Amino acid sequence: NAGVMQNPRHLVRRRGQEARLRCSPMKGHSHVYWYRQLPEEGLKFMVYLQKENIIDESGMPKERFSAEFPKEGPSILRIQQVVRGDSAAYFCASSPSLQYSYEQYFGPGTRLTVT
Amino acid sequence: AQSVTQPDIHITVSEGASLELRCNYSYGATPYLFWYVQSPGQGLQLLLKYFSGDTLVQGIKGFEAEFKRSQSSFNLRKPSVHWSDAAEYFCAVGANTDKLIFGTGTRLQVFP
Repeated sequence: NAGVMQNPRHLVRRRGQEARLRCSPMKGHSHVYWYRQLPEEGLKFMVYLQKENIIDESGMPKERFSAEFPKEGPSILRIQQVVRGDSAAYFCASSPSLQYSYEQYFGPGTRLTVT
Repeated sequence: AQSVTQPDIHITVSEGASLELRCNYSYGATPYLFWYVQSPGQGLQLLLKYFSGDTLVQGIKGFEAEFKRSQSSFNLRKPSVHWSDAAEYFCAVGANTDKLIFGTGTRLQVFP
């Protein structure tokens, strides 16, 4: 059973470009969470999604950031017009159902560098 | 607001020595508590969790943690550290049904 998969593992973007980060949850998991880890800091919750629904986006910056989890395919975290402050590691986690939503399994992360 | 504090940013121990990593939380109700480990360039791996019941929980890799409500603490322990335990350790609290709140982490260095 493959774990949570994220790609790309490393992404370099120039300021003003768009970044798209992908997350494929574990098989059978229908809940996805995105977290951001700034250098020398812990992980900060960004957004929680189920298939085709955003459940909690209280941690998402109000502008330039969006997330989706379509019926088919991976979850996408999209950052428009990236700035240097967006440089961070972005982790995706998945869980099987709301009842076990604390049982989150993390992917290896995407390390975004904005130049 | 819910929060997690890990007072030790960096800890260094000798291989074979005992280890205790501190974690304090702030949460009004009974918390769900977790310890994760992150190796360099890797994702997070769950070491152990506390939901209810016995306040001393056993995890993987020989780790254990004790929930102390009176001290709002959930400290991680290991009786004998191995060089492969060198990593970053994060304590987290599950405060609502949908997210984890993490501490800032403790970086563990192990000397031979």
